[in-house]
Parts: sequence; C-alpha cells; structure tokens
Amino acid sequence: GIQVEQSPPDLILQEGANSTLRCNFSDSVNNLQWFHQNPWGQLINLFYIPSGTKQNGRLSATTVATERYSLLYISSSQTTDSGVYFCAVSVSGGYNKLIFGAGTRLAVHP
Amino acid sequence: EAGVAQSPRYKIIEKRQSVAFWCNPISGHATLYWYQQILGQGPKLLIQFQNNGVVDDSQLPKDRFSAERLKGVDSTLKIQPAKLEDSAVYLCASSPRITGSREAFFGQGTRLTVV
Repeated sequence: GIQVEQSPPDLILQEGANSTLRCNFSDSVNNLQWFHQNPWGQLINLFYIPSGTKQNGRLSATTVATERYSLLYISSSQTTDSGVYFCAVSVSGGYNKLIFGAGTRLAVHP
Repeated sequence: EAGVAQSPRYKIIEKRQSVAFWCNPISGHATLYWYQQILGQGPKLLIQFQNNGVVDDSQLPKDRFSAERLKGVDSTLKIQPAKLEDSAVYLCASSPRITGSREAFFGQGTRLTVV
C-alpha cells in the first residue's frame, strides 16, 4: 500500500518563528489533507490540497503531486499552534481510503 | 452545518467486556470511516463504508470488532471482548463522495480505556 512519511517527527519553536513541515507519499493521490490535532484530540481540517497552493492566514500549503510531496508552512507561530500535524492521502482510482502519516509534533514556546 | 457526532466521549471498561460506539456523519455524506488512534501514533483505518456497504475492512480485527451502517446514515462500532491493547481513541469521519470533493471531516472521538 501507499507509504506516507512526515518530517520532522518533532519540532520545537519559539513564538514568532516560521516552520516548514513535509509530507512525502509513494503513489499518485487524488486526496491530500493536512490536519491539526489539538491537545484534546480533535482533528481540525487545515487544508484539502491534492495539488497546487492554498493559504489561510498564517498557514499555507503546497502539493506537488508529480513529485509526490506536500509542504505545510506556518509563519509567525503562536503557542496555540502546538499539537500534532498530520498529513493524510488517498490513492488515485480507489475508494478514497484515507491513509495517515505518523505526524509532526510541534511545540511552540512563549 | 452540523459536524460529525460521536458518543460516548469517554469509556472505561474491564478486559473481556463489550463496548459500542456510535457515529452520526455529516448529513448527505456517503462515505463513513472508523479509525483507531493509539497514543503517539497516527490514526489507522479500521473500516470504510460507502453508503451502507463496506468498501474496506482489511485492518479490522474481525474476531472481536464489528461495525454496521444501517440505512447508509449513522454507524456503530462494537468490540467484544475487549483487550488491554484496544485502549485508544476511536475516530469517526465522513466525506461527501468518492469523486469531486473528497474532503473528510472528523468527529471528536471516543477515548476508550480497557483495564
């Protein structure tokens, strides 16, 4: 099956710093989503981005489907950005079986 | 628009007991997923429904886990008998369809502790 690898596994930032999270996948995809899991365990949708670039406030994401990777950019980080960021993909031609990476654990300190 | 609803939020049971979780997806969403998330790991797909039919249950431990989606709307996931290693968060998600927008949305999850 498809492999989803996220890097780095852990990230510690000072408030105000910028960061880039990466998601590599091993097959063609028709769905790619970025989620933020908050300390209460809720998965919050950040981006639905099977290809292209999107921006939402301080967050932006780019997926280069032909090269099988996606990047999530966080600018001017805040303590509320702390948590785990997951990338999830589904393989083209399937039933949208959504497969998750292991996540990037982000801690933003004041 | 109401989100994905799950209940209960928390459950503590003894090993060998049975437990059931309930999920009501976003109205009109054809696809429903159940995931298991063990502490420190990413969510793992247990079962996926398209309307009321199962399209993937390859990672569902069928000797103890079962799931149904009656009338293609809400769904229940059951564990019987529970083992200690079933302690996890059980997440339900739904998405509109398998073509067009495939964006999935998650409920708040049920945290299960087996003692």
